[in-house]
Amino acid sequence: DAGVIQSPRHEVTEMGQEVTLRCKPISGHNSLFWYRQTMMRGLELLIYFNNNVPIDDSGMPEDRFSAKMPNASFSTLKIQPSEPRDSAVYFCASSLRASGGILLAKNIQYFGAGTRLSVL
Amino acid sequence: GQQLNQSPQSMFIQEGEDVSMNCTSSSIFNTWLWYKQDPGEGPVLLIALYKAGELTSNGRLTAQFGITRKDSFLNISASIPSDVGIYFCAGQLRGRDDKIIFGKGTRLHILP
Repeated sequence: DAGVIQSPRHEVTEMGQEVTLRCKPISGHNSLFWYRQTMMRGLELLIYFNNNVPIDDSGMPEDRFSAKMPNASFSTLKIQPSEPRDSAVYFCASSLRASGGILLAKNIQYFGAGTRLSVL
Repeated sequence: GQQLNQSPQSMFIQEGEDVSMNCTSSSIFNTWLWYKQDPGEGPVLLIALYKAGELTSNGRLTAQFGITRKDSFLNISASIPSDVGIYFCAGQLRGRDDKIIFGKGTRLHILP
């Protein structure tokens, strides 16, 4: 099993540029989560999807951040325009949740290796 | 918002020593999870706990779900160099929400 795949692994960009991070969840999983990790704030949940629908985006810091999940096997997190304070490691995670609202597989999230973003 | 208080923030130990870390919260959790993160990688699940009082082992790791449902601990016995990393506790609140809340992590260092 390939696990959660994120790309790119590293991204260096200049302030003001658009950044797009990509995630392929584990096949068959139907929940997808985007996290940001910094030394100061730890792991923060930005947004999560269930069956491709955004369920909770309360962690998205600003309108500069947006996330989409056009299908079950792909999601993007976009920052436009990027700022130096966006520098962090961004993780994608996926899990399996049964339809009908009953938790399945006990809510285990599997993480990708992350994208390290540096905004200069 | 909901918070998990994880302690200690960091630990410096000798190889072979036992390690203990814990998480507490003012809220009641349905599930407690312990993850480990190696440098340059994402967190990997070590142990999952689903019932109050549950004690679960995974090799040299042992974790318990507190009776009050508001705390959990993780013990590592006879530490080895590959135990170095950041250990996170995470909890899921009661209800049907998929979200889990992470502690700030315990950074484990092993002295040569």
